[in-house]
Amino acid sequence: AQSVTQLDSQVPVFEEAPVELRCNYSSSVSVYLFWYVQYPNQGLQLLLKYLSGSTLVKGINGFEAEFNKSQTSFHLRKPSVHISDTAEYFCAVSARNTDKLIFGTGTRLQVFP
Amino acid sequence: DGGITQSPKYLFRKEGQNVTLSCEQNLNHDAMYWYRQDPGQGLRLIYYSQIVNDFQKGDIAEGYSVSREKKESFPLTVTSAQKNPTAFYLCASRKGLAGGRGYTDTQYFGPGTRLTVL
Repeated sequence: AQSVTQLDSQVPVFEEAPVELRCNYSSSVSVYLFWYVQYPNQGLQLLLKYLSGSTLVKGINGFEAEFNKSQTSFHLRKPSVHISDTAEYFCAVSARNTDKLIFGTGTRLQVFP
Repeated sequence: DGGITQSPKYLFRKEGQNVTLSCEQNLNHDAMYWYRQDPGQGLRLIYYSQIVNDFQKGDIAEGYSVSREKKESFPLTVTSAQKNPTAFYLCASRKGLAGGRGYTDTQYFGPGTRLTVL
């Protein structure tokens, strides 16, 4: 079985500062990893995903994430945040070629002017 | 315009009433999912379906029921047996069958329905 831990429930940051949202996973088999973003009262939008290959993955809105197999981590980063990045961010994992996606509990990113 | 639609966006019901949430997709996706979202708990899987007329329970299926009579539709009924139904409900879909040809890895989400039971 897979599990996901998002260590920070809230991350406050000032506009134009860098940010890192942490995600650790647990699995005995190879996995796919995802980051989704959710704006208030909306569905989830895919930011980026890691399937295989290069461990540095670039996504939409200037976000990127690095897969680290030895540390079982998939942290999300952005070098300079904007007010519009204020949202909830979910890390998710699935075993390859399976039905289910397992979500972390989410990290609320609050960007202040 | 392709996508996943959920209706209504907001739904209010009295305690003890069954209520059905709609989910429709025109992406020709094979698998469809229902999740429940509560503050601080992330998304939890209620039911999922890979093909028409077949579905499986997720982690929190008690008090819910689904049907999959058409590929594009996967309605969720919240029954009176669900003890805490007030939540945000999200529908998702994915192309291909797990382990099969045409499988794709990404689930796409609808806009959600916020259910409040009074």
